[in-house]
Amino acid sequence: GAVVSQHPSRVICKSGTSVKIECRSLDFQATTMFWYRQFPKKSLMLMATSNEGSKATYEQGVEKDKFLINHASLTLSTLTVTSAHPEDSSFYICRAEDRGTYEQYFGPGTRLTVT
Amino acid sequence: TQLLEQSPQFLSIQEGENLTVYCNSSSVFSSLQWYRQEPGEGPVLLVTVVTGGEVKKLKRLTFQFGDARKDSSLHITAAQPGDTGLYLCAKETSGSRLTFGEGTQLTVNP
Repeated sequence: GAVVSQHPSRVICKSGTSVKIECRSLDFQATTMFWYRQFPKKSLMLMATSNEGSKATYEQGVEKDKFLINHASLTLSTLTVTSAHPEDSSFYICRAEDRGTYEQYFGPGTRLTVT
Repeated sequence: TQLLEQSPQFLSIQEGENLTVYCNSSSVFSSLQWYRQEPGEGPVLLVTVVTGGEVKKLKRLTFQFGDARKDSSLHITAAQPGDTGLYLCAKETSGSRLTFGEGTQLTVNP
């Protein structure tokens, strides 16, 4: 079946540094990918919609200059957390939409810890 | 802002008991999805309900969509420790965006 991967699965970084998280669709093409964040024991909150070949669409309250999204190909979207702070520590999950079937698949998530 | 209300938020029961989780909204859903998520993993789709009054069964899980398509429930019969996890309902909004409920953290004790 369709698989979405995320890399890295876990990352620890120091405050003030930037971290890039990758989301890949492994056996389908995705013109649209979605990025969510999830705090412990909380639900998923949509951050932004990543569109292949165009700018991402951010949800209200999400800083686009802090969470940079690039969707350079039909199988890869990246989320870069810039100048990370401890409050950015969270579980980041992507979801990819198959451009052919419109089925949607979640990635396994990336645990970010900012020290 | 969450558009979906889930209840209860936390549920701890003994193995073999039954339980029901509810998902409600003030607006009509075109469809509703239920997910289960384990710690450190992405959510896994359990079912999608589309038609008002629809009932779907997945082994010991029964999903119901309200007649008015504003609410849904998930009933688990004879819960097992392997059912432990975060259960999430979600509705699709414009542009294929998914909005999630607050989640129900279920713990089934052996």
